[in-house]
Amino acid sequence: QQPVQSPQAVILREGEDAVINCSSSKALYSVHWYRQKHGEAPVFLMILLKGGEQKGHEKISASFNEKKQQSSLYLTASQLSYSGTYFCGTESGGATNKLIFGTGTLLAVQP
Amino acid sequence: DGGITQSPKYLFRKEGQNVTLSCEQNLNHDAMYWYRQDPGQGLRLIYYSQIVNDFQKGDIAEGYSVSREKKESFPLTVTSAQKNPTAFYLCASRKPTVSTEGYTFGSGTRLTVV
Repeated sequence: QQPVQSPQAVILREGEDAVINCSSSKALYSVHWYRQKHGEAPVFLMILLKGGEQKGHEKISASFNEKKQQSSLYLTASQLSYSGTYFCGTESGGATNKLIFGTGTLLAVQP
Repeated sequence: DGGITQSPKYLFRKEGQNVTLSCEQNLNHDAMYWYRQDPGQGLRLIYYSQIVNDFQKGDIAEGYSVSREKKESFPLTVTSAQKNPTAFYLCASRKPTVSTEGYTFGSGTRLTVV
């Protein structure tokens, strides 16, 4: 089943912060985060493995709560280049690892 | 530089016609994937392959077929049985399944039925 993301869309001013949530109904092995610009392919941001670690990438970081089957992406001091649609992708592990993408969150950063 | 090449970038299909989308990678990745994206929607998994000569259906495999005869290549055929094929098709690859790296995507093929 497809992970659910919230919010569906968010509009920010440059320098503001945002949080995007991803929730799954299945037990998770890992969570991926990707950003997609309009008409382009998704670009990998980071992966979080089972273990509840938090990772960072420039001013973008994420957490993974495996007990709640949830992940959150944190964008701090947003820049215009952060605009795009953010997708989480979840893997449930096992012999047939496959990534199931979430519903997506449209982020627009304005000057 | 290594990467994934999808061709063509744009493709037009007539009703009742089969078309094949190409996906080639030189990343030496074992696993390859095909996703479909409709406007304003997320990505849905069509087929995936973890090794040569083996592949599995994803969530929306009906009306599609694939082959994996070489590690580098994973073509997708959209058959006439797919009633609504207009979409953006993305191919991806990844190192062996137990991996801390994400997927690498091609630039996509936009298919339109005319």
